[in-house]
Amino acid sequence: KAGVTQTPRYLIKTRGQQVTLSCSPISGHRSVSWYQQTPGQGLQFLFEYFSETQRNKGNFPGRFSGRQFSNSRSEMNVSTLELGDSALYLCASSLRGQPNTEAFFGQGTRLTVV
Amino acid sequence: SQQGEEDPQALSIQEGENATMNCSYKTSINNLQWYRQNSGRGLVHLILIRSNEREKHSGRLRVTLDTSKKSSSLLITASRAADTASYFCATVGETGFQKLVFGTGTRLLVSP
Repeated sequence: KAGVTQTPRYLIKTRGQQVTLSCSPISGHRSVSWYQQTPGQGLQFLFEYFSETQRNKGNFPGRFSGRQFSNSRSEMNVSTLELGDSALYLCASSLRGQPNTEAFFGQGTRLTVV
Repeated sequence: SQQGEEDPQALSIQEGENATMNCSYKTSINNLQWYRQNSGRGLVHLILIRSNEREKHSGRLRVTLDTSKKSSSLLITASRAADTASYFCATVGETGFQKLVFGTGTRLLVSP
C-alpha cells in the first residue's frame, strides 16, 4: 500500500507569489490534515479535511487555504507569500479522522521563500 | 502556540542505554501520541495512549500517562544508533477530530 505522497518535495518561491502544495493520502483514507513546521514555532496545525469538508482550522491567516477533492487528495494554497512562510509543510492522512486513530505523515514539502 | 513542552530538549546517550523523554501539556485530552522524525523528514507514529490508560508498551517503547499531572513519558529501552531522531508528543483534545497539538520535541542522539 502506497504511503502519503506530497508533491513537490522542494520549492523555492519569491515573496508575493502564491504556491499550491499537493497531498495524496493513503488509499481509502478520507481525512487529510496539514501542518507547518518551522524552527521557531515548531509543528502547528493548519487545517483538516474530511470528505471534502474542512472540519477544523488552525490559527493561520486567510492567506492559507486548502481543499479536498472527491478522491480525498488535498491541496493547500498560500497566497502573497512572506519570508516567514518558509517551512516544512506536512500532510497527514487517517482512515476516518477520528481522534483515536493513527495519522500517517508524508515526507513533506520544503518551501523556501526568498 | 504549542500545547506541550518536552524535556529534555536534547539527549545524548550510548547504544544500549535507556532514553527517557517527558512531555507536559495544558488542557484535557482525548489521547496522547508519540511521533519520531528523522532529520526534517516526515513523522512516524510510534504509539497512542488514551486518556483512560496509564501505561502502554510497544516493542522497546514504554509510554506512561498521568492525566492528573498532565504529563507523559516515553522510554526507549536498549537504544540503538538507528533511534537517533527527534521525538514529539502530540495531544488530541476532547473535542476530537484529527487535530494534533505537538510539543516542542526532544532531539535524541544515540552514539555507537
